[in-house]
Amino acid sequence: DAKTTQPPSMDCAEGRAANLPCNHSTISGNEYVYWYRQIHSQGPQYIIHGLKNNETNEMASLIITEDRKSSTLILPHATLRDTAVYYCIVRVGRDDKIIFGKGTRLHILP
Amino acid sequence: GAVVSQHPSWVICKSGTSVKIECRSLDFQATTMFWYRQFPKQSLMLMATSNEGSKATYEQGVEKDKFLINHASLTLSTLTVTSAHPEDSSFYICSAQTYNTGELFFGEGSRLTVL
Repeated sequence: DAKTTQPPSMDCAEGRAANLPCNHSTISGNEYVYWYRQIHSQGPQYIIHGLKNNETNEMASLIITEDRKSSTLILPHATLRDTAVYYCIVRVGRDDKIIFGKGTRLHILP
Repeated sequence: GAVVSQHPSWVICKSGTSVKIECRSLDFQATTMFWYRQFPKQSLMLMATSNEGSKATYEQGVEKDKFLINHASLTLSTLTVTSAHPEDSSFYICSAQTYNTGELFFGEGSRLTVL
């Protein structure tokens, strides 16, 4: 079973920041938080991952709470191409398989 | 970024035939590959973990005799759906894990339709 819970869907206006929440209250100290997204009929695309500290890359920022029980993925300037299902996943690391939950379907509104 | 290629991207077959789907890591070696299945409007479901040179590990409820997985090299894993039936129609997705960093990259998926 997936170890994360996410809202089933969210809307965001184009050009605004999209903030996608994820709860992982049972996360262990050695588990990373990974985010992937899946655009319709394509394979999942890696976005970002982190352990304790906030992370930023060219696609997004990941904010992890101090107790690590929840995190937020931030897409700073959402575009229509960001319409996808976003999956938050916890994973021990390179030796752990990835179990997908139901994800959040993000709709970007023009 | 690393590229994982799946072939074919889509296939239509008659009931009772077998279909092979290939998953290749194009620019890195993958000691571990994962196979997923996705039905319409559902999430990805992990079917099995494939390790190079050893037998695949199947998730509970996945028939290993029906979904044959072979990982003969560090860049290739295959999934064979044997005696396919219409209920096997699905989107099959593989992912490959890099040997050095452990990052996971996904293929574009293979859509199987069994008539």
